[in-house]
Amino acid sequence: GEDVEQSLFLSVREGDSSVINCTYTDSSSTYLYWYKQEPGAGLQLLTYIFSNMDMKQDQRLTVLLNKKDKHLSLRIADTQTGDSAIYFCAESLYSSASKIIFGSGTRLSIRP
Amino acid sequence: DAGITQSPRHKVTETGTPVTLRCHQTENHRYMYWYRQDPGHGLRLIHYSYGVKDTDKGEVSDGYSVSRSKTEDFLLTLESATSSQTSVYFCAISGAEGVTGELFFGEGSRLTVL
Repeated sequence: GEDVEQSLFLSVREGDSSVINCTYTDSSSTYLYWYKQEPGAGLQLLTYIFSNMDMKQDQRLTVLLNKKDKHLSLRIADTQTGDSAIYFCAESLYSSASKIIFGSGTRLSIRP
Repeated sequence: DAGITQSPRHKVTETGTPVTLRCHQTENHRYMYWYRQDPGHGLRLIHYSYGVKDTDKGEVSDGYSVSRSKTEDFLLTLESATSSQTSVYFCAISGAEGVTGELFFGEGSRLTVL
């Protein structure tokens, strides 16, 4: 079946790295995504990785994909207060925009 | 920002009444979606559309219907609202089928059913 799981909360100190983890069940996933939701707003795409890649880096963001274990992670370096948000992991099946499954979201809070 | 407008942004209604939420886009994108967001459940797909008059069910479609008579508008209707449909509803659009499948989201419509 299709399922995407992530922990609900993460608290990190400002300036430290944040690592948000996600597991998915469908091995036919083609793209995996990280979306960010700020309070009172819709989701915005942060980054994505194609399933034949192991890693993708984009400024402070690093995405790691372990396809064998069906594990995806998002690392945010030098976490800032503006990074406080809910982060959603999502997978796209069959290269189809009509079949994107979201996790429950991880709320990242930053402490001084 | 993608041109997506949801209306109303907030609505309080009573059990048994009909409710229609509207999503309007100015991007001429082919695909439009309705999701609901509930604590601990993330986003769950209700219905989606892949063209005018072409719609299909998502994972939580019971109690909901949709219509798309124009490219720019996608309506979500609750024929007889129930308290379990209290939620935040998000419309999303996508124009890149077969590529990255990136979704662009509206700002959400908060519905409370008393």
